Amino acid sequence: SQQGEEDPQALSIQEGENATMNCSYKTSINNLQWYRQNSGRGLVHLILIRSNEREKHSGRLRVTLDTSKKSSSLLITASRAADTASYFCATASGNTGKLIFGQGTTLQVKP
Amino acid sequence: DGGITQSPKYLFRKEGQNVTLSCEQNLNHDAMYWYRQDPGQGLRLIYYSQIVNDFQKGDIAEGYSVSREKKESFPLTVTSAQKNPTAFYLCASKKEGARDYGYTFGSGTRLTVV
Repeated sequence: SQQGEEDPQALSIQEGENATMNCSYKTSINNLQWYRQNSGRGLVHLILIRSNEREKHSGRLRVTLDTSKKSSSLLITASRAADTASYFCATASGNTGKLIFGQGTTLQVKP
Repeated sequence: DGGITQSPKYLFRKEGQNVTLSCEQNLNHDAMYWYRQDPGQGLRLIYYSQIVNDFQKGDIAEGYSVSREKKESFPLTVTSAQKNPTAFYLCASKKEGARDYGYTFGSGTRLTVV
């Protein structure tokens, strides 16, 4: 089952611009995580936000979480060509540690 | 360096064959997971294991089997019962009980039916 819906599916911006990706989910969660995937590679964990947190920063990344709307956003500031990748949100619920992933947003940053 | 190793990177399967994908981690993580990714799609959970000698079905377990005889290893067998096995397979691990930690992923195995 796919918990998350991500928006937009694809995003193309110029280097230096900000990129915003959104994720919506359906059930209550323990935390929400964002991952990055370069083409043909494994996923890399970027940032985790707990259900009782509203905003979190890590370097050029800013994540917000609105549990009342069951949605999250990932902002990448001052984007670089190296940020070109697919970005996935994933939600964790219950005690199994299972993550349910969204469909992903493909980001292209043009130099 | 600690991490997860998946092998092989590319695998070709003939119709009716069983194939086994390897996943080994040296992170001392308790929990391990197998996901399948189809082109342009998100990840779907096949099987997961929270402790040695125990594993649970995920959302798309039909046609797959796993074992967890050692903490470090969680191999996935794609059986002939899996009718559409061509996909990118990703293995991940996490320290059990660490609810606020992310997964560590391997680099994936791309399986193609020929």
